[in-house]
Amino acid sequence: EIVLTQSPGTLSLSPGERVTLSCRASQRVGNSYLAWYQQKPGQSPRLLIYDASSRATGIPDRFGGSGSGTDFTLTISRLEPEDFAVYYCQQYASSPLTFGGGTEVEIK
Amino acid sequence: QVHLVESGGGVVQPGRSLRLSCAASGYSFSTYGMHWVRQAPGKGLEWVALLRFDGTTTYYADSVKGRFTISRDTSKNTLHLQMDSLRVEDTAVYYCATGGGWLARYWGQGTLVTVSS
Repeated sequence: EIVLTQSPGTLSLSPGERVTLSCRASQRVGNSYLAWYQQKPGQSPRLLIYDASSRATGIPDRFGGSGSGTDFTLTISRLEPEDFAVYYCQQYASSPLTFGGGTEVEIK
Repeated sequence: QVHLVESGGGVVQPGRSLRLSCAASGYSFSTYGMHWVRQAPGKGLEWVALLRFDGTTTYYADSVKGRFTISRDTSKNTLHLQMDSLRVEDTAVYYCATGGGWLARYWGQGTLVTVSS
């Protein structure tokens, strides 16, 4: 099983700041099948990034994904008020599929 | 556009069974694999099960293997999750999701399952 570790657990930031979220895998994620999701309270997860660096349909270009192998990053170039949420990474390269524990981005 | 609607959640006693459904529309049902993902109250996301796009193969998390069964009815464009021998720790919002390959691109709104005596 591929274990995904996200860091930090919580980030306290202000609108306009740049954000970098980390997702580290316990073993190589094949084909870079790594996705990032955003979830707000009471809502379903929303796909942001797939295949480590491809933006999903309708996702603003301030969201960017990078990485390969075991180290992946989600970057938000400039935080907007609607970006305060919890972010999860997920690998879909091998079963069991697994999620990271999440990073909460909260308003400072 | 892709639309997924879960149903069947509710309150059930430990050891009992429950069947969840997910009605899909807006795409060719047999094109994508389909997942169940759950989220316990105040916790993170946990992948539960996957049914391959052609319906031939299923995959399960260790925590539900042998107790849960994922299946589909292509005549009704509906995904199911049969949950047997339910435990208190199965309490969660259950989401169905689908997308290309094993990617969960589209998600439903979820249905709450509470296992309690």
